[in-house]
Amino acid sequence: GENVEQHPSTLSVQEGDSAVIKCTYSDSASNYFPWYKQELGKGPQLIIDIRSNVGEKKDQRIAVTLNKTAKHFSLHITETQPEDSAVYFCAAYTGFQKLVFGTGTRLLVSP
Amino acid sequence: DTAVSQTPKYLVTQMGNDKSIKCEQNLGHDTMYWYKQDSKKFLKIMFSYNNKELIINETVPNRFSPKSPDKAHLNLHINSLELGDSAVYFCASSPRGAPQETQYFGPGTRLLVL
Repeated sequence: GENVEQHPSTLSVQEGDSAVIKCTYSDSASNYFPWYKQELGKGPQLIIDIRSNVGEKKDQRIAVTLNKTAKHFSLHITETQPEDSAVYFCAAYTGFQKLVFGTGTRLLVSP
Repeated sequence: DTAVSQTPKYLVTQMGNDKSIKCEQNLGHDTMYWYKQDSKKFLKIMFSYNNKELIINETVPNRFSPKSPDKAHLNLHINSLELGDSAVYFCASSPRGAPQETQYFGPGTRLLVL
């Protein structure tokens, strides 16, 4: 089955810096890669996603890149703000019609 | 208005008890899910239902029994609770359960088994 690895597990940055979170997946049939943000005490919320026919997608300060050959995708957050502090999850939609999540990255943005 | 809601938000109970968690979505979606998030934040699917029909059952112990009375509701009943069942349980929904659809998560139910 699909396996999604996510790195780093924790990431501390200063406000205004960029943050990058990387994920790799194993199932070449996976074709949809969403990113979720989970704030303390809340459920995961979709922040951006990318489909397998696209290499990059951007939405204001966040962007996601996908390399299907290497089976990895990354989340880039620019000009980080304290409210970006949360746990971020990557996920891959597999050929078995389910989302498999990465292990999460705890991002801390210090003012 | 809350799109995906769960009750209760917190649940503390003794080992061996039976408990239920309820989920409701007002998005008009056909597909609903239950996920378990353990103490290390690992999020894993347990079940999915499409129009009240079970689609995914991820080798979950049969002490866990989902029930979908209609497509807007998906409840989770747990028998004979064990310490290892302590986790946060999230309900989610998506429009049709089709590939590449966004899944919308509820706020979670924090279950603690003593």
